[in-house]
Amino acid sequence: QVQLQESGPGLVKPSETLSLTCTVSGGSISGYYWNWVRQPPGKGLQWIGFVYDRGLTSYNPALKSRVTISEDTSKNQFSLKLTSVTAADTAIYFCAKHRGTAFDPWGQGTLVTVSS
Amino acid sequence: QSALTQPPSASGSPGQSVTISCTGTSSDVGGYNSVSWYQQNPGKAPKLMIYEVTKRPSGAPDRFSGSRSGNTASLTVSGLQAEDEADYYCSSFAGSNTWVFGGGTKLTVL
Repeated sequence: QVQLQESGPGLVKPSETLSLTCTVSGGSISGYYWNWVRQPPGKGLQWIGFVYDRGLTSYNPALKSRVTISEDTSKNQFSLKLTSVTAADTAIYFCAKHRGTAFDPWGQGTLVTVSS
Repeated sequence: QSALTQPPSASGSPGQSVTISCTGTSSDVGGYNSVSWYQQNPGKAPKLMIYEVTKRPSGAPDRFSGSRSGNTASLTVSGLQAEDEADYYCSSFAGSNTWVFGGGTKLTVL
């Protein structure tokens, strides 16, 4: 059974770049869609984007100018970079696999706080 | 790309049925068979409960069902149980390889 685990700094300074990695175990990342979704504290879910086999990507238009999602098949990982962060980017960041047109399974999530 | 519209809250007594709506447009909910529903308990990751509008993954109780009429999708929980108390989110494909979520509904079991 596929399992996902997010990792990365829990604190990022304003204007800097947020970088997270999702490690996939129990299956190969090749040939599937891999997503990032975030949830500000006490608020709803927001889709950030996905990466697909051989590096095809798609991003939320609201974040597109600041987001890069990439994959490393040799490590069975995919990553998120979000530039020029502000307090509004403080959120729990989840990675998730696409199951057809749904998101399943999900990682447990990691809280990233933007603060000086 | 706007978030899908869900009621902030819903409630019901044990054993009753509750329906949560998710309203979008013909460019998302009404245009594709790609609506999914997620249950999220406090401090936990979302869990898939319904996909492709009406399909239930293994592991999701058969008390959960999905439907759609026009641009509004619905999640119905029949025979409410205390363990069903959680936040529920809908999601839909929104075209151009993008996805959108609803704002979430807090379900309270009275």
